[in-house]
Amino acid sequence: GAVVSQHPSWVICKSGTSVKIECRSLDFQATTMFWYRQFPKQSLMLMATSNEGSKATYEQGVEKDKFLINHASLTLSTLTVTSAHPEDSSFYICSAGGTSGTRDTQYFGPGTRLTVL
Amino acid sequence: TQLLEQSPQFLSIQEGENLTVYCNSSSVFSSLQWYRQEPGEGPVLLVTVVTGGEVKKLKRLTFQFGDARKDSSLHITAAQPGDTGLYLCAGTTTDSWGKLQFGAGTQVVVTP
Repeated sequence: GAVVSQHPSWVICKSGTSVKIECRSLDFQATTMFWYRQFPKQSLMLMATSNEGSKATYEQGVEKDKFLINHASLTLSTLTVTSAHPEDSSFYICSAGGTSGTRDTQYFGPGTRLTVL
Repeated sequence: TQLLEQSPQFLSIQEGENLTVYCNSSSVFSSLQWYRQEPGEGPVLLVTVVTGGEVKKLKRLTFQFGDARKDSSLHITAAQPGDTGLYLCAGTTTDSWGKLQFGAGTQVVVTP
């Protein structure tokens, strides 16, 4: 199956600092990647859709200036949480659109646990 | 309001029992996926269904897609402790541009 990796798997940072999370599709090219946030005991909430070579599309209520997304290549998308605050602490998960099966199939990364002190 | 309603929210059963998780919507989905997620990890794709009335089996797991493509179910036969996890249904509609709409999830706990 398709493999998606994320780095780092966990990060602890001070309030006010910025954190970058990488999402890579290891064995396939992904023109579209998605970023989700998940709070404890809740489902995944889509934050934004990242398209290679173009600006990301953000969901309603997600601040694009706070959550910077870059999709510079067909295998890498990054999410930067700028000026992080404790309320940004969450589990961030990316996914990449697969080409096997239907075009709607997404393969998920292992997630990044962000803790802002 | 979530597009996909999952039920039940929580299910605790003994090893060897059967269970069914439901995923319902008033919208028509072009495809629907089921995922299992364990704590601290990303969701793992179990199955994708695309055809109304489709039934797929994966060992002890049986997935059904409703004839009208508005609902789906996941049935586990003779559950084992290794089946413990958060089960998520997610689907795409014809106008969602590939974006997945997730249900709230069903936490399944199978005790030995």
